[in-house]
Amino acid sequence: SQQGEEDPQALSIQEGENATMNCSYKTSINNLQWYRQNSGRGLVHLILIRSNEREKHSGRLRVTLDTSKKSSSLLITASRAADTASYFCATGGSGNTPLVFGKGTRLSVIA
Amino acid sequence: DGGITQSPKYLFRKEGQNVTLSCEQNLNHDAMYWYRQDPGQGLRLIYYSQIVNDFQKGDIAEGYSVSREKKESFPLTVTSAQKNPTAFYLCASSPTSGRPGELFFGEGSRLTVL
Repeated sequence: SQQGEEDPQALSIQEGENATMNCSYKTSINNLQWYRQNSGRGLVHLILIRSNEREKHSGRLRVTLDTSKKSSSLLITASRAADTASYFCATGGSGNTPLVFGKGTRLSVIA
Repeated sequence: DGGITQSPKYLFRKEGQNVTLSCEQNLNHDAMYWYRQDPGQGLRLIYYSQIVNDFQKGDIAEGYSVSREKKESFPLTVTSAQKNPTAFYLCASSPTSGRPGELFFGEGSRLTVL
């Protein structure tokens, strides 16, 4: 079952611009996480936001969560060519309930 | 270095053959997972294990089997019953304390059926 749905599917921006990706989900969650995947590689955890949090920052990353709208956004500020990757949101229940991933947003940052 | 090791990175299989993908972790994590990734489909859960000698089916378990005899190891067998096995397979683990629920991934195994 695919819980999260990212939007847009693909995004192309110039280096230095901000990139915003959105994620919508369907059921109640304990937390929402964002992961990054370089082409042909494994996923790397970026940030986790709990259901009782509204915003979280980590370096150039800013994540928001709106549980009333069942949506989250990931903002990457001052993007770099090295940010080119696919970004996935994943929703989690309690404990070690397996995460459910969306289909991802493919970000291309052009130098 | 601590991490998750998947092998082989690339694997070719003839139709009708079973193949086993290895996943080993030295992070002392209790939970381990197998996901399948197809182009444009995101990640889909095949099997997961929260403790040694126990595992549960995910959304697409048909045609796959796993074992969890050791905490460090969670091998995945793709059987001949899996109708469309060509895909990128990702193994992950997560701790039950500290940062529970956060997944640590291996680099993946790409299986191609000839």
